[in-house]
Amino acid sequence: GQSLEQPSEVTAVEGAIVQINCTYQTSGFYGLSWYQQHDGGAPTFLSYNALDGLEETGRFSSFLSRSDSYGYLLLQELQMKDSASYFCAVRPSGGANNLFFGTGTRLTVIP
Amino acid sequence: NAGVMQNPRHLVRRRGQEARLRCSPMKGHSHVYWYRQLPEEGLKFMVYLQKENIIDESGMPKERFSAEFPKEGPSILRIQQVVRGDSAAYFCASSPDSNQPQHFGDGTRLSIL
Repeated sequence: GQSLEQPSEVTAVEGAIVQINCTYQTSGFYGLSWYQQHDGGAPTFLSYNALDGLEETGRFSSFLSRSDSYGYLLLQELQMKDSASYFCAVRPSGGANNLFFGTGTRLTVIP
Repeated sequence: NAGVMQNPRHLVRRRGQEARLRCSPMKGHSHVYWYRQLPEEGLKFMVYLQKENIIDESGMPKERFSAEFPKEGPSILRIQQVVRGDSAAYFCASSPDSNQPQHFGDGTRLSIL
């Protein structure tokens, strides 16, 4: 089976940098994805790591280390609009095409 | 440049009624996925379909739930004889193939009275 653990809540100051961690236990997966979801909204794709290392997309970066069963999402130059829930997700290997989502982290950006 | 379209956005049903949720994937996407989200939780996979075929329904409850993706028209998630526990947000996602990121619709919030 799979399990993806994230901190439930994180608070950070506008303009700062915040890191949201995702530790996982899975029998195998193709890659680690990150999604943002505002209250009442749709999950929005942010980033994907197929291989170990850092992927950068504007203010957002994501990192994966398969040997440590660990990944993170890094948000720089935080803005108030970044307040949302963030989910890591994996596509399990073995033929499945669904995404398995983590528990989610609620980020609150304060002035 | 329409994204994944789901309707209705909100649906209220009484216990025992049927709920039908619709999803039109993004243009050019033939892979459709349905997920359910309870408050304060992550999304849970339900079913994966391609045109006219159910590929993986391992996340679907064994009874009362069914899904289809006909050759013409939207994908439909159908819940028969709804119960209070079916109250949730139901999201549809689509992708052009299984290796591409999934793009989500705005969801249908189902409330059971």
